[in-house]
Amino acid sequence: QKEVEQNSGPLSVPEGAIASLNCTYSDRGSQSFFWYRQYSGKSPELIMSIYSNGDKEDGRFTAQLNKASQYVSLLIRDSQPSDSATYLCAVTGSGGGADGLTFGKGTHLIIQP
Amino acid sequence: DTGVSQNPRHKITKRGQNVTFRCDPISEHNRLYWYRQTLGQGPEFLTYFQNEAQLEKSRLLSDRFSAERPKGSFSTLEIQRTEQGDSAMYLCASSPAALGFGANVLTFGAGSRLTVL
Repeated sequence: QKEVEQNSGPLSVPEGAIASLNCTYSDRGSQSFFWYRQYSGKSPELIMSIYSNGDKEDGRFTAQLNKASQYVSLLIRDSQPSDSATYLCAVTGSGGGADGLTFGKGTHLIIQP
Repeated sequence: DTGVSQNPRHKITKRGQNVTFRCDPISEHNRLYWYRQTLGQGPEFLTYFQNEAQLEKSRLLSDRFSAERPKGSFSTLEIQRTEQGDSAMYLCASSPAALGFGANVLTFGAGSRLTVL
């Protein structure tokens, strides 16, 4: 049984600060890791993917992966009110993802103007 | 191509009725997934297709649920004898290549919200 754990929040961050979102996963064989953003009433949209240990940066977003600790995080720099949403961590299984992604419950992020 | 399309967007039905949802994936994507999401939860995997073959089904998918993808293009998800616990957002997603990391990059549709009274 694959499990993905996230703090549900809400996580409140002042505008312009760094938001740090964390996720742990149970399947040591997981190979691919994703962060999706979901606005209220909308479907998830992919914002970051990461496949190897270390950091991956894309604009204001940085994903960090530590497979030894089974930990993946997302940093959002210069947080904007439009970043307020639920952030879903998703991982594949040790089979390479043929069985789809396992999602966490999501962290509700609030950026305070 | 405008992305993954789902219909209907909203469905209200009475307990015991059957409902069917349709998903049209991105045309060049050969993998198609169905997920269910309830309030405060992340999406839960239901089933997935590679082309027309249904390759995996979650144990969440009771025998009242059936999914098809007859020609490897659009897919339908039917729920028979609906129960109030079936009320949820049903999300369809598709992904491109059959191999490699790109196979797991899912693009979601807008979802079909089911309310069972």
